[in-house]
Amino acid sequence: AQSVTQLGSHVSVSEGALVLLRCNYSSSVPPYLFWYVQYPNQGLQLLLKYTTGATLVKGINGFEAEFKKSETSFHLTKPSAHMSDAAEYFCAVSDPMGRRALTFGSGTRLQVQP
Amino acid sequence: ETGVTQSPTHLIKTRGQQVTLRCSSQSGHNTVSWYQQALGQGPQFIFQYYREEENGRGNFPPRFSGLQFPNYSSELNVNALELDDSALYLCASSLGVSGGNEQFFGPGTRLTVL
Repeated sequence: AQSVTQLGSHVSVSEGALVLLRCNYSSSVPPYLFWYVQYPNQGLQLLLKYTTGATLVKGINGFEAEFKKSETSFHLTKPSAHMSDAAEYFCAVSDPMGRRALTFGSGTRLQVQP
Repeated sequence: ETGVTQSPTHLIKTRGQQVTLRCSSQSGHNTVSWYQQALGQGPQFIFQYYREEENGRGNFPPRFSGLQFPNYSSELNVNALELDDSALYLCASSLGVSGGNEQFFGPGTRLTVL
C-alpha cells in the first residue's frame, strides 16, 4: 500500500522568501509522484510530476521538486514566494505497476505574508 | 478545448436520500476517476472508469456506484446518504490508465448531507 505524509498542515512565508513544502512517501515500488495546487472553491491543478529520468523536476509558476529515493521524499520548492502562491498544496503518488489512482497527502496550506 | 466540468456545483440532501453527480471529461479523454475530499483533508480515491468499465475501486462501500457513458462522461451515485458523505466530490479525466498520465480535475460538487 502507498501513503503520503506532508509535514506541516500550514506554512507561512513572507513575499519573496523561499517556499519549502515537504512530502514523504511510502511505496513498495518506485512510484510516480505529483504535486497539485488547489485554490479556494476550485479543483486541483497539476504543478509538476516525476515519472522517470531526471530527479529534479520543474513545473509551472516557478515551482520545482526533487525526487530523493534514499530519503523517500519529493519536497516542493520555489525560490521566491508571490502573493498569488497562497493556496492548498497536495503531494500525491501513484503505483506504476498496479492501480493507477492517485493517493494524496492531507495537504499543506501556504500563506504568503506581504 | 473544453476542460472537465461537473454538475451541480452545490447540493444539499438529507440523510437516507440518494444523489447523482455528473462529470463531463475533457475532450479526447477516455478515463474518469472520482475522488472524495472531506473538509481539511486530501482527496480519496473512490473509483475509476476506463472505456465504460470500472477499472479500480478505493475503500468505499457499495452504496457508492458509478457509470461511464459512450461519450466518456460519468456519473457518481450515492445511495442511503450518511452525514459523513458531506464532502467535495472531484472528478478527474485522463487519456488512458497509465499512472504517469496527468489527471485533469473538475471544480467539484460540494455535497452537504443534513
